[in-house]
Order: sequence, then structure tokens, then C-alpha cells
Amino acid sequence: QKEVEQNSGPLSVPEGAIASLNCTYSDRVSQSFFWYRQYSGKSPELIMSIYSNGDKEDGRFTAQLNKASQYVSLLIRDSQPSDSATYLCALDGGYGGSQGNLIFGKGTKLSVKP
Amino acid sequence: EAGVAQSPRYKIIEKRQSVAFWCNPISGHATLYWYQQILGQGPKLLIQFQNNGVVDDSQLPKDRFSAERLKGVDSTLKIQPAKLEDSAVYLCASSLVSNEQFFGPGTRLTVL
Repeated sequence: QKEVEQNSGPLSVPEGAIASLNCTYSDRVSQSFFWYRQYSGKSPELIMSIYSNGDKEDGRFTAQLNKASQYVSLLIRDSQPSDSATYLCALDGGYGGSQGNLIFGKGTKLSVKP
Repeated sequence: EAGVAQSPRYKIIEKRQSVAFWCNPISGHATLYWYQQILGQGPKLLIQFQNNGVVDDSQLPKDRFSAERLKGVDSTLKIQPAKLEDSAVYLCASSLVSNEQFFGPGTRLTVL
């Protein structure tokens, strides 16, 4: 049973600070990882994908992947109140023809205080 | 580019009644997914279609849930009969590349 674990939070950071969101997973074979942002009452929105060990940067967001430690993280620099949302970590739990079966964690609620 | 469309946005039914949800994916996206998101949890995949064929329905409760994707475009998800524990948001997503899925606004179902 593939699992994705996240601290549910809430994680509270002041405006302008770096928010660090963490995720661990159980399936050593997993190759593809994703971060989704979900505002209250809205649907998930893809913000980052990462497939290789190391860092991937996109604007204020940096995803980090360590497959040996089965650990994925998301850093948000210069956090803004508009970043306040629940951040969902997901991995692709399928193989071959069934790729796309995303397995989500429960999400970490981030609150950025002005 | 228009996003994933879903209807209705909200539905309230009594237990044991039936309900159907509709989804229209992003144009050209061959893969379509239905997820169930219970309050406080992440989405859980119910069924995945590639064109009009089922790729994965291992987590679909087939005694009460059914889904179809005729002509490889629109899809409907049906629940019959509904139970209290089916109260959730039902999300449709589509993808061109299987790893990058885009979600519709969802249908919030309340079963009384």
C-alpha cells in the first residue's frame, strides 16, 4: 500500500519568510512527484512536478527530491498572504500503462501572516 | 484554453437515491480521471480512462459506483444508491501527459 505522509499543520509563517513543506512516501519505486495547492473550497492546482533527485526551481517555489530518503519538500520564498492554502504532496503510484494514479497526502495547511 | 468543466457544482440528495456527475475535459486530453475528496483528506482516484477505455478502476466501489466515457470525450460518474459516507467533493481531472493532471472545479455532494 503506497502512502504519502504530510504534517497536517497548520504551518504559520510571517510574510516574507521561507515556508518549508515536507512529505515522505513509502514506495521506493515511485518516480514522479507533484505539489498541488488547494485554496479553501477550490480544486487542486498543480504548482510543481519533480522527477529527479535534487532541486527544481520555478519562481518563488523550489521542490526538492531525495529518493534515497524517500523525501520530497517544497520551499516557498518570500511568502505572501496569497500563498495561504493547503499544499498537497502526490506521487504517481501507477506503472507502465496505469501511470497517472496519483496518490495524495492529506495536505499541509499553510498560513502566511501579514 | 478552457479548463475542465464539471456539473453540477453542488448536489444534495437523500441516502439511497441516485446521482450523476458530468465532466468535460480539456480539449485534446486523452486521459480523464475521477477522484473523490473527503473533507480533510487528499483526493483519492476512483477511475482512470484513456480515451474511452478504463485504465484503472481498482478503487471504484463497483457495487454502487459506475462511470463511462463514451466517444472518448465527456464522462459521467454515477452513484446508485448513495450512502452517507459518499458525501465528498468529486473531482474530474484530465491530462495530455499522464503526469500533469488538471482538475475541474468539482461537485460537492451531500448525502442526508
